[in-house]
Parts: sequence; structure tokens; C-alpha cells
Amino acid sequence: AQSVAQPEDQVNVAEGNPLTVKCTYSVSGNPYLFWYVQYPNRGLQFLLKYITGDNLVKGSYGFEAEFNKSQTSFHLKKPSALVSDSALYFCAVRDSSGGSYIPTFGRGTSLIVHP
Amino acid sequence: NAGVTQTPKFQVLKTGQSMTLQCAQDMNHEYMSWYRQDPGMGLRLIHYSVGAGITDQGEVPNGYNVSRSTTEDFPLRLLSAAPSQTSVYFCASSYSPESNQPQHFGDGTRLSIL
Repeated sequence: AQSVAQPEDQVNVAEGNPLTVKCTYSVSGNPYLFWYVQYPNRGLQFLLKYITGDNLVKGSYGFEAEFNKSQTSFHLKKPSALVSDSALYFCAVRDSSGGSYIPTFGRGTSLIVHP
Repeated sequence: NAGVTQTPKFQVLKTGQSMTLQCAQDMNHEYMSWYRQDPGMGLRLIHYSVGAGITDQGEVPNGYNVSRSTTEDFPLRLLSAAPSQTSVYFCASSYSPESNQPQHFGDGTRLSIL
């Protein structure tokens, strides 16, 4: 079975400071990993994904994520946070090795960027 | 480019009423799914479909029905609404179940059951 954990319900950061939103996962085979962002009253929007290759993945709006196989983590990062980054962030995983192709989502982390 | 379109955006029902939440996508995606989002619970999968004529149950299917007569449409039916079904419902689609492509989400239907 596959699973995703987002250990922080909320992350607070000051504008201009770096931000990290944590995600750890568990799959039987190799993972496909995704980050999505949800703004108020909107659906989830895709930010970035890890399929294979470089462990550092760059995505939309200046976000990046680092895949760490030994720690089974895929933390979302941004060097300098903006107030407009305040939103709900979801990590998702799917096992690329067959079996269930249904992605599993984490419970979400609310990012609050203070001016 | 409409993407995934959900209607209605808001709905209030009385307990016991039935209704259909509509979902349509114009990207020729094979895989479509319905989620509900509740505070502190994240996204929970209700039903999904890997193509026209094929549907299956997700994590929380009770009280909901789906059908997939066309590639574009994937309606979700509440058979007899209950207050526990008060939630925000999202429809999502992706190219194919085996692909590594992300899902595209609609903007949701906010449903209140009185």
C-alpha cells in the first residue's frame, strides 16, 4: 500500500524568507511524486512532479522540490516566500511499478506567509 | 481551453433529496475521478473511471453513484442526501491511469445538506 504524510498542518514564514513544506511517502516500488497548490475557493493546481532523473525538480511560481530516496521525502521549497504563496499545499504519490495507479494525497499543509 | 468544468458551484439540499453533480472535461482524458474535501481530512476518493463504461469505487463510495457514458462527462449522483455529505466535491481528470501526468481539477461544488 502507498501512503503520504505531511507532518505539518500549518507552516508560517515571513515574506522574503525561505520556505519548506514537508512530505514523506511510502510505496512498494518507485514513486511518482507530485505537489499541488490550492487557493481559496479553487481546485488543486499542479506545481511540479518527480518521475525520474534529477533529484531537484523545478516547478511553477519559483517552487522546487528535492527527492530524497533514502529518507523517502519530497519536500517543497522556495528560496524567497511571497505573501501570494499563502495557500494549501498537497503532496501526492503514485507507485510507478504497477498495482494501483490511483494517486494518494496527503492531508495538506496550510502555508501562511506574513508581510 | 476550459479544462475541467464542474456545475453547480454551490448547492443547498434538504436531507433525503437527490441531485447530480456534473463534471465535464475537454482534454480527451481517459481517467476521471471524484473527491470530497473536508477540513482536516484532505482529499478522499469517492469513485473513479478509467474510460467510458468503466467505473470503480474509491475510499468513500457509500451514498454516491457514478456513470461514464462518454469520455467527456463523469456525473456524480447523491441518491438520498445526508448531512454527513456536506462537503466540497472536486472532479479531476488525467490523460490515462498509467501515465505519469498530473491530474487536472475543477473548481469544486460546495454542497450543504440541511
